[in-house]
Amino acid sequence: SAVISQKPSRDICQRGTSLTIQCQVDSQVTMMFWYRQQPGQSLTLIATANQGSEATYESGFVIDKFPISRPNLTFSTLTVSNMSPEDSSIYLCSAYLQSMNTEAFFGQGTRLTVV
Amino acid sequence: ILNVEQSPQSLHVQEGDSTNFTCSFPSSNFYALHWYRWETAKSPEALFVMTLNGDEKKKGRISATLNTKEGYSYLYIKGSQPEDSATYLCALSSGFQKLVFGTGTRLLVSP
Repeated sequence: SAVISQKPSRDICQRGTSLTIQCQVDSQVTMMFWYRQQPGQSLTLIATANQGSEATYESGFVIDKFPISRPNLTFSTLTVSNMSPEDSSIYLCSAYLQSMNTEAFFGQGTRLTVV
Repeated sequence: ILNVEQSPQSLHVQEGDSTNFTCSFPSSNFYALHWYRWETAKSPEALFVMTLNGDEKKKGRISATLNTKEGYSYLYIKGSQPEDSATYLCALSSGFQKLVFGTGTRLLVSP
């Protein structure tokens, strides 16, 4: 199994500011992903974090708004830029182990409130 | 666009009751169906990953079945306990390890 440490666990931010969320995995992983859950909605994939290259974004998400870094096989960051109240969500990072491409492991989530 | 639906949206049962939830999905382009349990302020925890039509899996009091031809999966909890209170998520993967989630079923078990 894998343990994913995600921080911060929660934050309240002013609109127009940016927040960077960090995700650290205790094992080398093949794939890392970032998801968002807006209130009352499903968990939705934002992007795939690619090691050493630009992230791959899903439809409706852009790099300028959600820049992602993945400098190595165990660490990734997601920045929520120029925040508005609509960005208030739970953000989750997720990863698959190199040896087990079956179940995904998740961080504990970052609960973001934008005021 | 894949659409995964879960029902009911929420459920409130008494300790000792058995319960079940449904996950519906399009039967084409199926690769795997995942069930997760998500407790507040904790990481979603994988319960089952199912790939074959007719699959049945069990973990303690929790079990799941899969019908890929008609596009549904059932999750059963036998003898619910208060510690089973959580949101139960199902998700579909298309083989690229990306998951498409349903909105979840929120279960509350009262003592």
